[in-house]
Amino acid sequence: DQQVKQNSPSLSVQEGRISILNCDYTNSMFDYFLWYKKYPAEGPTFLISISSIKDKNEDGRFTVFLNKSAKHLSLHIVPSQPGDSAVYFCAAGGQGAQKLVFGQGTRLTINP
Amino acid sequence: DAGVTQSPTHLIKTRGQHVTLRCSPISGHKSVSWYQQVLGQGPQFIFQYYEKEERGRGNFPDRFSARQFPNYSSELNVNALLLGDSALYLCASSNRADSYEQYFGPGTRLTVT
Repeated sequence: DQQVKQNSPSLSVQEGRISILNCDYTNSMFDYFLWYKKYPAEGPTFLISISSIKDKNEDGRFTVFLNKSAKHLSLHIVPSQPGDSAVYFCAAGGQGAQKLVFGQGTRLTINP
Repeated sequence: DAGVTQSPTHLIKTRGQHVTLRCSPISGHKSVSWYQQVLGQGPQFIFQYYEKEERGRGNFPDRFSARQFPNYSSELNVNALLLGDSALYLCASSNRADSYEQYFGPGTRLTVT
C-alpha cells in the first residue's frame, strides 16, 4: 500500500526553466511534508518542508505547494540549474515518532 | 561541523549471516532513525531511537534490531540475512524526538549473496 506516490519516475527540464515535481498521498493523518534531494553515493539532503496548516512555503528558488483537499503537493524550482539534477523524494510525516513515509522518487535532469 | 557518519560504506555478506551497521549522529542530535532503501524505491522507515529508547518501529521482521548508546550513536543489527535484505541502509539524526526534519548520512550499501 503506497501511501505516498510520485508518479513520474523522471523529468527533463531545460536550464533556466521551471521544474515542477509532483507528489500524491492517501493518508489524511499526514500533517507534515518534506522534499529531499539525493545525489548518487550520498544520503538524501533536506530541501524544504511544509506543515499541513499552510498551503505554500518558499525558500529561494524552491517553493512547495500543498493542496490538502486533493492530497497533492508539488515542488517548484525556478530557475532550474544544472546542479539541480538529482533524484527528488517527497516524504510525509504524522503517523507518530519520526516515521517518514517516502515516495519512490523522481529523477530530475536539467539540460543546458 | 561533521554530518551524520555511517560505517562501513559497503558490505558484502552471505545468506544466513548477521550484520552490524553503525551510525554517529550530528553533534548535539539525540534522535537517530534507520531507513532501508531498496533500488528504485524511496527509503522505508525501520526504527527510531531517542535518548536510548525505541520510539518507533516500521514493518520489519524481528531479525532487525537496533540500539542507541549513551553518546547517541546507534547500531542496526540484522540476523539471518536474506537476499532481499540487499539495500542501502540510511541513518538520520535530528535534535528532537518529534522533529520530522531529519539529516541523513551517506548510507551503508549491503549486498547479500
